[in-house]
Amino acid sequence: DIQMTQSPSFLSASVGDRVTINCKASQNINRYLNWYQQKLGEAPKLLIYNANSLQTGIPSRFSGSGSGTDFTLTISSLQPEDVATYFCLQHNSWPRTFGGGTKLELK
Amino acid sequence: QVQLKETGPGLVQPTQTLSITCTVSGFSLTSYYMQWVRQTPGKGLEWMGFIRSGGSTEYNSEFKSRLSISRDTSKNQVFLKMNSLKTEDTGVYYCARAQGMDAWGQGASVTVSS
Repeated sequence: DIQMTQSPSFLSASVGDRVTINCKASQNINRYLNWYQQKLGEAPKLLIYNANSLQTGIPSRFSGSGSGTDFTLTISSLQPEDVATYFCLQHNSWPRTFGGGTKLELK
Repeated sequence: QVQLKETGPGLVQPTQTLSITCTVSGFSLTSYYMQWVRQTPGKGLEWMGFIRSGGSTEYNSEFKSRLSISRDTSKNQVFLKMNSLKTEDTGVYYCARAQGMDAWGQGASVTVSS
């Protein structure tokens, strides 16, 4: 199974800050990496698919980069509504595996 | 509008069987894979298995012996059944659409306790 190592597990930042979250795969997953936002009690929301494609309706302050084994989610200017947990998913192979999650809070 | 909604029992006793239904709208089950994912305090997010658009299934080996996924396309519903429940199975169970999981339900919270 492909292991996904996500960092950091916790992040505190101020409104307007640039925020980056990383996922590292234990083997090459090409660009088959998605990023999700999860708020308490809500369905996970797809933000970025295939490493760098912005899902329809997602604000442009969210972006993704990377390929192979190293991937990054960037929020260019943090907004209060971005407080949530973020996680990555590799969909290159079965079984699908997930990062451990990053809890993002406001400083 | 694509929607997925899980409904489940809430509380299940150890050794019993868990049954959860995922009801979808806005798309056809015959066009998409449907997957089940759970989130537990002990292991985080785990992929459990899927049912293909054609109806065949695949399971994570972690659950293979006790998990079953099925569907009723006429009712737009996908079903998860897992037997021999343990306290470690406590968590939130999600259905998700497509091989890339582009849409998810809100999840069904399940507590395994006597």
